[in-house]
Amino acid sequence: GAVVSQHPSWVICKSGTSVKIECRSLDFQATTMFWYRQFPKQSLMLMATSNEGSKATYEQGVEKDKFLINHASLTLSTLTVTSAHPEDSSFYICSARDQGGSVYEQYFGPGTRLTVT
Amino acid sequence: SQQGEEDPQALSIQEGENATMNCSYKTSINNLQWYRQNSGRGLVHLILIRSNEREKHSGRLRVTLDTSKKSSSLLITASRAADTASYFCATRRRDDKIIFGKGTRLHILP
Repeated sequence: GAVVSQHPSWVICKSGTSVKIECRSLDFQATTMFWYRQFPKQSLMLMATSNEGSKATYEQGVEKDKFLINHASLTLSTLTVTSAHPEDSSFYICSARDQGGSVYEQYFGPGTRLTVT
Repeated sequence: SQQGEEDPQALSIQEGENATMNCSYKTSINNLQWYRQNSGRGLVHLILIRSNEREKHSGRLRVTLDTSKKSSSLLITASRAADTASYFCATRRRDDKIIFGKGTRLHILP
């Protein structure tokens, strides 16, 4: 089956620093990837859509200068949380859509837990 | 924005009992999906039901869809401790992006 990986699985950083999270599609190509954020005991909220070779599109209320997204290849998207603050502590989950499949074939990564101290 | 609303928000039942979770959504859909998430982990896709289907089964799972009421239910029969998790329904917006409901936290008591 299609596999999406994320790295790191968890990260602790100091307030004011930046942290990068990688999302990879391991056995398929993904022109489109999605980034979600999940606070404790809450649902997943779509943050942005990452498009290979073009700019990401952000959901309303998500700061694009704070959450930098780069989708440089068909198998890799990165999310960089810049100038992180404790309120950015959350579980970040990426999802990738199989380019060769139907629009319904979308797979989720295992998530990255970010803690900002 | 979130499309679905699940109820109950939390549910505790004895092992062996059946668990029913409901999901309501707002706009018309082509399909609806249910996912499970164990605490602090990623999502596991459980089942997809298309808009022209009324009921679908997968092992101990039974999903129903009522498009006239814009609602779906997930039934887990003969619950087990391993079923303890959060369950989310998910639909697609007009731009085909997956949006999740608020989820139901299910706790199976031994």
